[in-house]
Amino acid sequence: KQEVTQIPAALSVPEGENLVLNCSFTDSAIYNLQWFRQDPGKGLTSLLLIQSSQREQTSGRLNASLDKSSGRSTLYIAASQPGDSATYLCAVMGGNNRKLIWGLGTSLAVNP
Amino acid sequence: GAGVSQSPSNKVTEKGKDVELRCDPISGHTALYWYRQSLGQGLEFLIYFQGNSAPDKSGLPSDRFSAERTGGSVSTLTIQRTQQEDSAVYLCASSSWGSPKAFFGQGTRLTVV
Repeated sequence: KQEVTQIPAALSVPEGENLVLNCSFTDSAIYNLQWFRQDPGKGLTSLLLIQSSQREQTSGRLNASLDKSSGRSTLYIAASQPGDSATYLCAVMGGNNRKLIWGLGTSLAVNP
Repeated sequence: GAGVSQSPSNKVTEKGKDVELRCDPISGHTALYWYRQSLGQGLEFLIYFQGNSAPDKSGLPSDRFSAERTGGSVSTLTIQRTQQEDSAVYLCASSSWGSPKAFFGQGTRLTVV
């Protein structure tokens, strides 16, 4: 059974810091791994999607890496801003189905 | 539509009553998913539709939960005889054929009192 773990559960940093969020999964037979952002009262926003054959994806100040063999992904946020404050969720899609298995998220606060 | 639309955004119901939650996916998206997010817990898969059929309904927690999709578009999640543990945010997502990227609605917050 696939299990997804995110560390840390919460993070508070001053504006401008570079930071790393971690995600690990127990079954390496994944189709893809996705990072989402969740803001209070709003839906989920897809940030980055890494196919199982890929090693990383970049979008602006965000970079996500995937090491499928070790069951790990990291989300790197450069030069953090207060607007980055949100919960960041990691989810993996299995090889045999289309459902996403989710971590509990990392709650990020970027302080001005 | 421009995005995935869910209604109602909030629903308070009495224990034992039935509720219906609606999801309007992005036009043309063939895949539709329902997830549930309970307080302090991660998102939990409920059911997946491809067109009008549901190849994976393994996440439905009990036979009080059912879902249907008609015309390859709108989906309704029905919870019968609601219980307090059904209180959660119910999220719907859709994706286009062959694409794993899912677009989420803003969710329906269900509170059973």
